[in-house]
Amino acid sequence: KAGVTQTPRYLIKTRGQQVTLSCSPISGHRSVSWYQQTPGQGLQFLFEYFSETQRNKGNFPGRFSGRQFSNSRSEMNVSTLELGDSALYLCASSLGRGGGIADTQYFGPGTRLTVL
Amino acid sequence: AQSVTQPDIHITVSEGASLELRCNYSYGATPYLFWYVQSPGQGLQLLLKYFSGDTLVQGIKGFEAEFKRSQSSFNLRKPSVHWSDAAEYFCALQGAQKLVFGQGTRLTINP
Repeated sequence: KAGVTQTPRYLIKTRGQQVTLSCSPISGHRSVSWYQQTPGQGLQFLFEYFSETQRNKGNFPGRFSGRQFSNSRSEMNVSTLELGDSALYLCASSLGRGGGIADTQYFGPGTRLTVL
Repeated sequence: AQSVTQPDIHITVSEGASLELRCNYSYGATPYLFWYVQSPGQGLQLLLKYFSGDTLVQGIKGFEAEFKRSQSSFNLRKPSVHWSDAAEYFCALQGAQKLVFGQGTRLTINP
């Protein structure tokens, strides 16, 4: 079974621009979560989508948004980029059991975003 | 509130030596715990997980972890490390529809 894929793998943008990252989950997985990884803050949860609905959101400004399509693929968008948005953005997929039931997240290789 | 603490930021061990990476958690309910490994420039690979049952869980690449509820710990162990084990290791706790990660432990292997 194919793993989680993320495109593109690398991006360079300038301040003020916007960017869209894409994630394709493992077949059969209905939940997609996004995380930001930086050297200073570590791994931080951005948001989670399940059946095209945002089910949970982390503590990030509204410039960070996402969506999920009917085939479970997900995109995240960052508008008005700032230097501090430079990070590795990781996508993870899972069955999406919810309700406090144990669920395993599998990660993609990430998209490395550099903001100049 | 839920949190994960990995007390060791960086550990160096010799190839062939045993390894233990520490992880402590804080969570008010039944914890679901994970260890992930990340090689430079890569995503996170799942090593093992604990949901319930046997407190000693086996994972891939010869790793194991022991869940100790009384100590709120979930330490990762390997009896003999290989140079290819050099990477960053993350302990994580499943909260409500999200993972909470520790800060990570960077493992260096001396030849």
